[in-house]
Amino acid sequence: ETGVTQSPTHLIKTRGQQVTLRCSSQSGHNTVSWYQQALGQGPQFIFQYYREEENGRGNFPPRFSGLQFPNYSSELNVNALELDDSALYLCASSSLAGDYNEQFFGPGTRLTVL
Amino acid sequence: DQQVKQNSPSLSVQEGRISILNCDYTNSMFDYFLWYKKYPAEGPTFLISISSIKDKNEDGRFTVFLNKSAKHLSLHIVPSQPGDSAVYFCAAISGGYQKVTFGTGTKLQVIP
Repeated sequence: ETGVTQSPTHLIKTRGQQVTLRCSSQSGHNTVSWYQQALGQGPQFIFQYYREEENGRGNFPPRFSGLQFPNYSSELNVNALELDDSALYLCASSSLAGDYNEQFFGPGTRLTVL
Repeated sequence: DQQVKQNSPSLSVQEGRISILNCDYTNSMFDYFLWYKKYPAEGPTFLISISSIKDKNEDGRFTVFLNKSAKHLSLHIVPSQPGDSAVYFCAAISGGYQKVTFGTGTKLQVIP
């Protein structure tokens, strides 16, 4: 069973640029959630995708967008990068059913915005 | 608005003793509470959870206690082992799409 993978591991961008981060969900999972973890903070929920549709969103501006593909892998796109976007971006996959479903996290992508 | 709070950024415990990590929350709509463990360069790993209808859940060395009236939960690790050294996140879930709200984390160091 393959776990959650993310690419790239590290990324450096400059302010104003656009970035795409990728996530492959665990086999059998149909839901992907994205989180932003700033230094010294806990992960903050960005949004969740379920069967290729956005299924919930946290308090992030529209320049944060996402996609989920038929194989349930996902992308996080961030436009017009700002310095404060520098963070660890985590994705987590789960199988959405019932009251609670464990989310399995990938190792994250470390984004630095200069 | 920090709905899940972990007021102790760090904790040091001797090997074999009990580690107690605390967490407070403000949102009474949370349905489930979870603890995650995170090692450097890895994503958080689920450790243990508790439903809002229970007050205790135990899994081996790990026990989570929930006090709903105080909006407080705690994680007990007994006995603590050096491999337990990590950052521990308290988290809570509400809503149909199961958005997870994390605390800021407590760094646990277990001293051999």
